[in-house]
Amino acid sequence: GQQVMQIPQYQHVQEGEDFTTYCNSSTTLSNIQWYKQRPGGHPVFLIQLVKSGEVKKQKRLTFQFGEAKKNSSLHITATQTTDVGTYFCAAFQTGANNLFFGTGTRLTVIP
Amino acid sequence: DVKVTQSSRYLVKRTGEKVFLECVQDMDHENMFWYRQDPGLGLRLIYFSYDVKMKEKGDIPEGYSVSREKKERFSLILESASTNQTSMYLCASSFTGWTNEKLFFGSGTQLSVL
Repeated sequence: GQQVMQIPQYQHVQEGEDFTTYCNSSTTLSNIQWYKQRPGGHPVFLIQLVKSGEVKKQKRLTFQFGEAKKNSSLHITATQTTDVGTYFCAAFQTGANNLFFGTGTRLTVIP
Repeated sequence: DVKVTQSSRYLVKRTGEKVFLECVQDMDHENMFWYRQDPGLGLRLIYFSYDVKMKEKGDIPEGYSVSREKKERFSLILESASTNQTSMYLCASSFTGWTNEKLFFGSGTQLSVL
């Protein structure tokens, strides 16, 4: 089945440092979604990217969708302790009707 | 706000027991999903349903079945629980369609099979 690879699995940063997580697929994606799961919580939808090369921003978060629609990234500028959690990408493969989740990147922010 | 409610937050069962996990959503969503979440493996789709009495297998349906008798309720059934089914189970729903709808998740059920 479809595999969406996400790296890194873990990331520890000092508060104020930047953070990036990457998702990669071997096949073309219809779109990509990003979710955040706080410790002890459930995944919450952040954003969806649909167009090739699309870039969207939410305050300190920048989301990108690759030109070939096979990869995506989430970048957080100047992390804060409230950014702690696991970030998941999720994608529909073109022609499929399943949403495949990446393995997630667990972010720890050290105050 | 959409509310997706899972009946139990924690559940402890014995090997061989039949286990029912219940999920209810209150926003008239067409689609409902069951995922399991394991460390290092992310979220894996077990089953999904796009209409009452309709179901589709996900990536890991073995050992599970589902029931959707009413639009708002989607049940996951472990016919004979095994220790390798110890996991966090997450129910989710989405309004309609497939490729443009975000998922709303319940709080999860942490199932331990002893």
